[in-house]
Amino acid sequence: KQEVTQIPAALSVPEGENLVLNCSFTDSAIYNLQWFRQDPGKGLTSLLLIQSSQREQTSGRLNASLDKSSGRSTLYIAASQPGDSATYLCAVLASSNTGKLIFGQGTTLQVKP
Amino acid sequence: DVKVTQSSRYLVKRTGEKVFLECVQDMDHENMFWYRQDPGLGLRLIYFSYDVKMKEKGDIPEGYSVSREKKERFSLILESASTNQTSMYLCASSLDSGRVYNEQFFGPGTRLTVL
Repeated sequence: KQEVTQIPAALSVPEGENLVLNCSFTDSAIYNLQWFRQDPGKGLTSLLLIQSSQREQTSGRLNASLDKSSGRSTLYIAASQPGDSATYLCAVLASSNTGKLIFGQGTTLQVKP
Repeated sequence: DVKVTQSSRYLVKRTGEKVFLECVQDMDHENMFWYRQDPGLGLRLIYFSYDVKMKEKGDIPEGYSVSREKKERFSLILESASTNQTSMYLCASSLDSGRVYNEQFFGPGTRLTVL
């Protein structure tokens, strides 16, 4: 059974710092991995999608990497800003038939001015 | 931009009521999903649909049903609401393009409270 873990559960950093959020999964047979952002009481915003054949994706100050063989993905945020404060979720697509995502519990990030 | 909308941001219902949560997407996506999100349990899939009138159970379908009469609309129905169905409900959609597995896009969520 596929399980997705995100450590740490919470992170607090000063503004301007570069940071890395971690995501691990137990079964390397995934089709893609998606990173989301969630603000309190709101829905999920898709940040980056990495297909299983890709190693990384970039969008602005965000860079996500994928190492299927080790069951790991990282989300790198450069030059963090207070507006980056949110919960970051990773999810893996483990089945080609259903489109079902399996989510981690998330990392809640606070960027202090 | 893909837009997924949900009929209500906040909803308060009484135990035993029949509750309808509506989700509409405007990008002609084939796949639509209903999740619930609870503290400590994360997001869990309730039902999904890969075509009009087609539905599949997710991980926690008990107490719920769904309806997809039109491609753009996916409804979640609580036949007889119970207090343990108090939760944040999130709808999502994705394009089905064969062997390319596409992003899921989420709506803003409905916070349901059952009293």
